Amino acid sequence: GAVVSQHPSWVICKSGTSVKIECRSLDFQATTMFWYRQFPKQSLMLMATSNEGSKATYEQGVEKDKFLINHASLTLSTLTVTSAHPEDSSFYICSAASIGRNTGELFFGEGSRLTVL
Amino acid sequence: TQLLEQSPQFLSIQEGENLTVYCNSSSVFSSLQWYRQEPGEGPVLLVTVVTGGEVKKLKRLTFQFGDARKDSSLHITAAQPGDTGLYLCAGAGNQFYFGTGTSLTVIP
Repeated sequence: GAVVSQHPSWVICKSGTSVKIECRSLDFQATTMFWYRQFPKQSLMLMATSNEGSKATYEQGVEKDKFLINHASLTLSTLTVTSAHPEDSSFYICSAASIGRNTGELFFGEGSRLTVL
Repeated sequence: TQLLEQSPQFLSIQEGENLTVYCNSSSVFSSLQWYRQEPGEGPVLLVTVVTGGEVKKLKRLTFQFGDARKDSSLHITAAQPGDTGLYLCAGAGNQFYFGTGTSLTVIP
């Protein structure tokens, strides 16, 4: 299957700092990447949809100025949590849909555990 | 609005038992996927079903897509501790919609 890599896998930061999480599609071109937030034993909460070369579309209730998303190329999207606070601590996951592959399939990164002290 | 409802939300069973997880919606999807996620990792795709009424088997796992392409089920036979995880269904339409999730624990 297709490979999506997230980095870092986990990060601990101080309150007020910004953290960048990268999501890369390693063996295919991703027209669209998605960013999710997940709480323990719960489903994925879509935060935003990112299309290469255009602005991300944020879900209702997600602050676009706090969660900055950049999709600079067909293989890389980044999520920056700005001025992080303890309530931003969570598991963040990206996924990618690919050009030319079967439609209706998403490939997920390994996830990034953010802990804000 | 949660388009896909999964049931049960939590399930704890003994090794060797059978179980079924349901994924229901009032919307029609072009395809539906099932994923399994282990703690601290991203979801891993198990199967994609596309045709109404389709049944797919993956070893001890049997997946069925409803005739109307609105619902799906996952049946696990003789569950093993390695089956423990969060099971997610996802429907593909204009975008991807994830189910509410089913947390399965198989006790040795």
